[in-house]
Amino acid sequence: GENVEQHPSTLSVQEGDSAVIKCTYSDSASNYFPWYKQELGKGPQLIIDIRSNVGEKKDQRIAVTLNKTAKHFSLHITETQPEDSAVYFCAASAGMDSSYKLIFGSGTRLLVRP
Amino acid sequence: SAVISQKPSRDICQRGTSLTIQCQVDSQVTMMFWYRQQPGQSLTLIATANQGSEATYESGFVIDKFPISRPNLTFSTLTVSNMSPEDSSIYLCSVGWMRGSNYGYTFGSGTRLTVV
Repeated sequence: GENVEQHPSTLSVQEGDSAVIKCTYSDSASNYFPWYKQELGKGPQLIIDIRSNVGEKKDQRIAVTLNKTAKHFSLHITETQPEDSAVYFCAASAGMDSSYKLIFGSGTRLLVRP
Repeated sequence: SAVISQKPSRDICQRGTSLTIQCQVDSQVTMMFWYRQQPGQSLTLIATANQGSEATYESGFVIDKFPISRPNLTFSTLTVSNMSPEDSSIYLCSVGWMRGSNYGYTFGSGTRLTVV
């Protein structure tokens, strides 16, 4: 089955700096890669996703890149703000090949220092 | 995307008892899933809730401990049976949506369970 590894487990940056979180996956059939933000006491919220037919996607300060050959994908947050502080999870799904199961990475706790 | 209502949002239960968590979706969905998030940990898939048939459980999870019902395309329940303190976690309902060849997932806000 799919295995998703995520690094780093914690990340502390100064406000205004960039943050990068990296994930690798094992199942070459995976074709959907979402990123979720989870704030304390809340469920995961989708912030951006990418499908295997594109290499990069951007939404304002957030971008995701995908390298299918190396089986890794990354989340980039630019101009970080204190409200970006949260736990971020990457995930992967192989769709019908995996009965649409979504498998999560271990999470990254991001702290943005004012 | 679908809006999920999950109840209860939190509960404190005595060991040895059972709790049933409800997940209501505002539209018909094909895929429904239940996850567990232990304190400070990531989300682990418990099972896929199948409409009209038995749920499909992941390794390490069994029907006797986590019975699941899915009577229709908008509703599912997860029961945590014979609870122990180790069952203290957040339990999350998720639905999968499809649009043409694309698909994605939405999560409920979760049920925070404490077993004492």
